Amino acid sequence: QVQLKESGPGLVQPSQTLSLTCTVSGFSLTSYHVSWVRQPPGKGLEWMGVIWTGGSTAYNSLLKSRLSISRDISKSQVFLKMNSLQTEDTATYYCARERGGAPDYWGQGVMVTVSS
Amino acid sequence: DVVLTQTPVSLLISLGGQASISCRSSQSLVHSNGNTYLHWYLQKPGQSPQLLIYQVSNRFSGIPDRFSGSGSGTDFTLKISRVEPEDLGVYYCLQRTHNPFTFGSGTKLEIK
Repeated sequence: QVQLKESGPGLVQPSQTLSLTCTVSGFSLTSYHVSWVRQPPGKGLEWMGVIWTGGSTAYNSLLKSRLSISRDISKSQVFLKMNSLQTEDTATYYCARERGGAPDYWGQGVMVTVSS
Repeated sequence: DVVLTQTPVSLLISLGGQASISCRSSQSLVHSNGNTYLHWYLQKPGQSPQLLIYQVSNRFSGIPDRFSGSGSGTDFTLKISRVEPEDLGVYYCLQRTHNPFTFGSGTKLEIK
């Protein structure tokens, strides 16, 4: 069945770089796009970016200068890197498969706290 | 950026009642390919968002027909009939037509 699982550090220091991994199973990264979405505690959802099946990417313009999404097809993994983290980047980060232009299956999310 | 305005902010509905949530866009969500990429999600407490409706009116796999979506252009509505206890949570609309893709601010559904 379709599964996505985010992993990464729970705590990141301000100004440092966040690195997250989304490991997928039950589908191929060459057949489905994968998006990243985040949610600050108690707040709404923010779309961050997507890696298309062909490997190209699109980013939220507000984050574009700090954000990079890549993948390793052989390992069924999608990676998120975001630099210059600040406290306002504290959030739960989700990866989600896309079908028909809609994120349909989501991971459980990983909580990331930015604090010294 | 496209702004999605969801109303109401919160809803208090009796079991078995009907709920209606509006999502209005600052721009038309009709894509150049003719599709309208407006989707609806429910985030239950402590869980990841789950897809309910995609492309305005199509129910996702396993979603009961109590959930229905409608609308066009800039005005969209999610209706929930015969509200059940498991329907509580926050409902979000998402537009995937214009980059950056954006979510509405959410509507919290509580059960009386």
